[in-house]
Amino acid sequence: NAGVTQTPKFQVLKTGQSMTLQCAQDMNHEYMSWYRQDPGMGLRLIHYSVGAGITDQGEVPNGYNVSRSTTEDFPLRLLSAAPSQTSVYFCASRPQELHGYTFGSGTRLTVV
Amino acid sequence: AQSVTQLGSHVSVSEGALVLLRCNYSSSVPPYLFWYVQYPNQGLQLLLKYTTGATLVKGINGFEAEFKKSETSFHLTKPSAHMSDAAEYFCAVSPRDYKLSFGAGTTVTVRA
Repeated sequence: NAGVTQTPKFQVLKTGQSMTLQCAQDMNHEYMSWYRQDPGMGLRLIHYSVGAGITDQGEVPNGYNVSRSTTEDFPLRLLSAAPSQTSVYFCASRPQELHGYTFGSGTRLTVV
Repeated sequence: AQSVTQLGSHVSVSEGALVLLRCNYSSSVPPYLFWYVQYPNQGLQLLLKYTTGATLVKGINGFEAEFKKSETSFHLTKPSAHMSDAAEYFCAVSPRDYKLSFGAGTTVTVRA
């Protein structure tokens, strides 16, 4: 099992550009989430999904879109990048029953 | 709504000394509680969790935590620190659903 795979690991964007952060898991987990990590703020939930075709907003959803067409994939789209979106982004997944989330290794995004 | 407060953003301990990381939470319902560890440039790894049952839970790498409902606390301890324990530690709470709320994190440094 590869676990939760995030690509790319690093990305630099110009203000106004769009891009998609990829997340894939091979554990057949129902629940998937996107978090952003900023110094001194812990991790904040952006969007989450409880299964294919079902997504919802988290704590800080503005400027981000998600979709869940398959159980395995949960991409995060930045519509028009802003410097405030400079952060480290983590994707996580867990089975339907309550276990701890498994996290990917993160994508470090810089918006200039 | 739930929130998590980690007391102390930085903790420095001597090798072999007790590690104590404090976590208090607020939750409208009895929560599930987690501790995660993050090593530099890596994702988060689950240390331990409390869902139901015994209030003293043991995790990986010699860590344990005790759920105290009356104090709304879930402090993390390790009797004897090792150099490899240097990392950032996050307490997280879930109100019995799929969303996690994280504390701001505590960075642990271990002095030789």
